[in-house]
Amino acid sequence: DTGVSQNPRHKITKRGQNVTFRCDPISEHNRLYWYRQTLGQGPEFLTYFQNEAQLEKSRLLSDRFSAERPKGSFSTLEIQRTEQGDSAMYLCASSYGTADGYTFGSGTRLTVV
Amino acid sequence: AQSVAQPEDQVNVAEGNPLTVKCTYSVSGNPYLFWYVQYPNRGLQFLLKYITGDNLVKGSYGFEAEFNKSQTSFHLKKPSALVSDSALYFCAVRVGAEGYNNNDMRFGAGTRLTVKP
Repeated sequence: DTGVSQNPRHKITKRGQNVTFRCDPISEHNRLYWYRQTLGQGPEFLTYFQNEAQLEKSRLLSDRFSAERPKGSFSTLEIQRTEQGDSAMYLCASSYGTADGYTFGSGTRLTVV
Repeated sequence: AQSVAQPEDQVNVAEGNPLTVKCTYSVSGNPYLFWYVQYPNRGLQFLLKYITGDNLVKGSYGFEAEFNKSQTSFHLKKPSALVSDSALYFCAVRVGAEGYNNNDMRFGAGTRLTVKP
């Protein structure tokens, strides 16, 4: 297993377009997290899955954001009608248990122009 | 709700000298504390954690951290810094309690460590 994989690495989109990011976690990890990181800030929690169930969703996640994890494997994060304020690094992480450190992917950098 | 503070935006040390990156936390309940490192254009990499037990925990690359409950701190340390340690370091906390299902791990704003030759 090569770790957490995120695609694409970079995405440039025009304001108002929809974008979708993919995350492939470590196969043994049943917990998957999405975070958003802007320049000079630490990662901000967006949402959490345990297997295929989305158990938590931050208030930061507006109705334009949706995440899925079908079959408890990979996950997708979709942003509809993108805005310039959505420009950030979107990080995916996975873990096995609540006391475990997270394994992060390299992130998808979104630029909305 | 839990929070983390990293009071220093930047820490500069000379190679071979000891380094400390500070972290204080606020949490209701027993904390699970973590340190992560981020290299340029990379995701965060787990360094070490405190869950319970010995207050001094050891992690990757020779790093260690000391949990101090009375001062609510979890400072990251290394006896002898390397130039390759230069990176962004994040402290993180989540509530650790039996049966508690809080998966909102809160991160500090990060401290940029620069080790000069």
